[in-house]
Amino acid sequence: AQTVTQSQPEMSVQEAETVTLSCTYDTSENNYYLFWYKQPPSRQMILVIRQEAYKQQNATENRFSVNFQKAAKSFSLKISDSQLGDTAMYFCAFMKEYGNKLVFGAGTILRVKS
Amino acid sequence: EAGVAQSPRYKIIEKRQSVAFWCNPISGHATLYWYQQILGQGPKLLIQFQNNGVVDDSQLPKDRFSAERLKGVDSTLKIQPAKLEDSAVYLCASSPRDRGPGELFFGEGSRLTVL
Repeated sequence: AQTVTQSQPEMSVQEAETVTLSCTYDTSENNYYLFWYKQPPSRQMILVIRQEAYKQQNATENRFSVNFQKAAKSFSLKISDSQLGDTAMYFCAFMKEYGNKLVFGAGTILRVKS
Repeated sequence: EAGVAQSPRYKIIEKRQSVAFWCNPISGHATLYWYQQILGQGPKLLIQFQNNGVVDDSQLPKDRFSAERLKGVDSTLKIQPAKLEDSAVYLCASSPRDRGPGELFFGEGSRLTVL
């Protein structure tokens, strides 16, 4: 069974600074997908970024980028130029290549301070 | 495009009572999911429907939980009888065929408190 671990329950960052959220996972699969989802307070969870394990290039979406280390089974999220609207719970998630189920970590609460 | 609609947003019940949650996915989305999010934990998949058929219900406590998806559109999740440990946010999500894998569209959730 796959497991996803987020070791930072809470983090804070000053507006305009950069922050990195950590995620590790355990799997015996060779091909799979990794995700970061954002859950703002009292709002819907949305997909931030997706990484295919067979791609060596790290995914990037505007201010959000990942550092995917397949051998280390590590998948961190870097948020550049943090904004107040980035305040949210961030979940790391795993899915098998031909699977249908997202396996989520416990989440990291990120607070952006002005 | 309207998002995933869920109701009620909040529900408080006594243990051993029953409760039902309703979800209306985004129009045209074939796949519908129910997740349970207990405080301090990540969401856990309870059941996944493809149209009106069940794809995965391996983590659904079938002795007390049931779910159906009427005509491949709306879905209802029922708990009967509720236990204290069922206190959680129940998230409904849907996904279309033409998006990348793992891209789910979530509703705001239904928060259940069992006293």
